[in-house]
Amino acid sequence: ETGVTQTPRHLVMGMTNKKSLKCEQHLGHNAMYWYKQSAKKPLELMFVYNFKEQTENNSVPSRFSPECPNSSHLFLHLHTLQPEDSALYLCASSQDGPRTEAFFGQGTRLTVV
Amino acid sequence: DQQVKQNSPSLSVQEGRISILNCDYTNSMFDYFLWYKKYPAEGPTFLISISSIKDKNEDGRFTVFLNKSAKHLSLHIVPSQPGDSAVYFCAPAYNQGGKLIFGQGTELSVKP
Repeated sequence: ETGVTQTPRHLVMGMTNKKSLKCEQHLGHNAMYWYKQSAKKPLELMFVYNFKEQTENNSVPSRFSPECPNSSHLFLHLHTLQPEDSALYLCASSQDGPRTEAFFGQGTRLTVV
Repeated sequence: DQQVKQNSPSLSVQEGRISILNCDYTNSMFDYFLWYKKYPAEGPTFLISISSIKDKNEDGRFTVFLNKSAKHLSLHIVPSQPGDSAVYFCAPAYNQGGKLIFGQGTELSVKP
């Protein structure tokens, strides 16, 4: 139990589908993040939310749409994805402040066919 | 523009010996450095950190060294154990917390 829970763990979707990834944290943190890990690449930061407000979007294509309804929940809505979007999507949370570490969920393994 | 580099994609060591994982960074504004460990099919877990005001931090078998002038840090694991086999990520951060920039990772394999 890491305190950060992601669902589903695995997802296969077609390029015309619409799906959503869910992340929930039980740690009382006020910052949440989406990261993407493709094969043989470093973890890439996608979005940052602080106190439910999006504070960073790292040039992510609009086919990825984040939503943060409250400080405990984070969603990533997916639509018209491409096969190259297949990756491990990781959610993380942290307490906004100096010298804090982020806690990660187990990730959603996404395959776009 | 890759701000963090872990130039060794993999490392293999014998059980009981020392493992040394290296990380180089380019941004001198980083002032807090973390190491994460990741097993397959799991998210990264925090391992150890060091503030830029220190040059060494030790926690059990794990020691992180920071050389700010060289913009280099390293993680030492001694003695290495088979359970240490995982991918290790270096992640510098800014002192105000939050966003982490990850290196590519080094896959450590500790052989019995």
